[in-house]
Formats: sequence, C-alpha cells, structure tokens
Amino acid sequence: DAGVTQSPTHLIKTRGQHVTLRCSPISGHKSVSWYQQVLGQGPQFIFQYYEKEERGRGNFPDRFSARQFPNYSSELNVNALLLGDSALYLCASSPTGAGGYTFGSGTRLTVV
Amino acid sequence: SQQGEEDPQALSIQEGENATMNCSYKTSINNLQWYRQNSGRGLVHLILIRSNEREKHSGRLRVTLDTSKKSSSLLITASRAADTASYFCATKAGGTSYGKLTFGQGTILTVHP
Repeated sequence: DAGVTQSPTHLIKTRGQHVTLRCSPISGHKSVSWYQQVLGQGPQFIFQYYEKEERGRGNFPDRFSARQFPNYSSELNVNALLLGDSALYLCASSPTGAGGYTFGSGTRLTVV
Repeated sequence: SQQGEEDPQALSIQEGENATMNCSYKTSINNLQWYRQNSGRGLVHLILIRSNEREKHSGRLRVTLDTSKKSSSLLITASRAADTASYFCATKAGGTSYGKLTFGQGTILTVHP
C-alpha cells in the first residue's frame, strides 16, 4: 500500500506569491492534518480535516487555508508568502483522527 | 507554541549503548506519542501511550509515562547506527474532539558505529 504522498517535494517561491501543496492520505484514512516545521524545531499544527470538515485550526494567519476533497485528499494553500513561511510542510493521515499518524515526506518550501 | 520540552537536546552514544530521552508537557493529555525523523524528512510513528498507561514496550523501545509529573521517557536499548535521527514527543490533549498533536522541540540522537 502506498503511504501518504505529498507533492511537490521541493518548491521555491517569491515573496507575495501563492502556493498550493497537495496530500494524498493512505487509502481508507479519512483524517488529514497539516503541520509546519521550521528548521531546528518540532512540527506546528496548522489544520485538521475529517470527513471533509475542518476539525481544528492552529495559530496561523488567515493567509493559510486548506480543504479536503471527497476522495479525502487535501490541499494546503498559502497566500501572500512571507520569508518566514519557508519551512517543511508535513501532511499526516489517520483513519479517524485518533491514535497515531502516518506522515508524508513533506514539501520543502523556500520563499525568496 | 510548543507544549513539550525534550531533554537532552542532543545525545551522542556508541553502538550497543542505551539511549534515554525525556519529555515534559504542561497540560492534561489523552495520549503521548513518540516519533522519529531522519534528515528533516517525514516523521515515523514509534509508539503511543495512553494517559491511563504507565509503561509500554515495542521491540527495543520502552516508553514510560508519569502523568503526575507530566513527563515521559523513551528508552532505546542496544542502539544501532541506524537509530541516528531526531526524536520528538507529541501530546494529544485530553477532552478534545480532534487529533491535534503538540510536538516538543526534539532530541537529536547520534549513534556512533
């Protein structure tokens, strides 16, 4: 079985631009979460979706948005990129949102 | 903000030795999980311990949880060079209806062959 897949793996954007990151969960997993990991720190929670509904939002500005599709895949959108948005963005899936999570390999976003 | 704090921040040992990492947290939890991360890529789930459990084993891993002290420890026995990675504890708060995990800043483990 395929694990959690994220695309793209690397991305370079200019300040002020918009970016869309994509995540496909493990088959049968209905919960998808997004995390931001800045170099040298632990991941920070951004969003969780379960059955296409937002179930949680972390302390991030409104420039960050996400959605989950009927096939449970998800997109994370970031508008008006800032240099400080440079980070590894991780997607995690689980069957219900409880228990342990399976993480993807992440998207490395660099804002210049 | 980070809920947990891992101690030590970095640990360097020889192959065959045991490695112990500690995690402290601040609020009540539903469960505590440990993850491993190699070279800044995706995290791998290692073990989950629920708030009503005190100890759990998985292979060479042993996790303890002391809810009165709001702390947990991860012991890796007979370490191998392949165990070299960053290790994070993550807590799921008690009483929440969703699965937000709050991570610590991690312990960097280096195992020398």
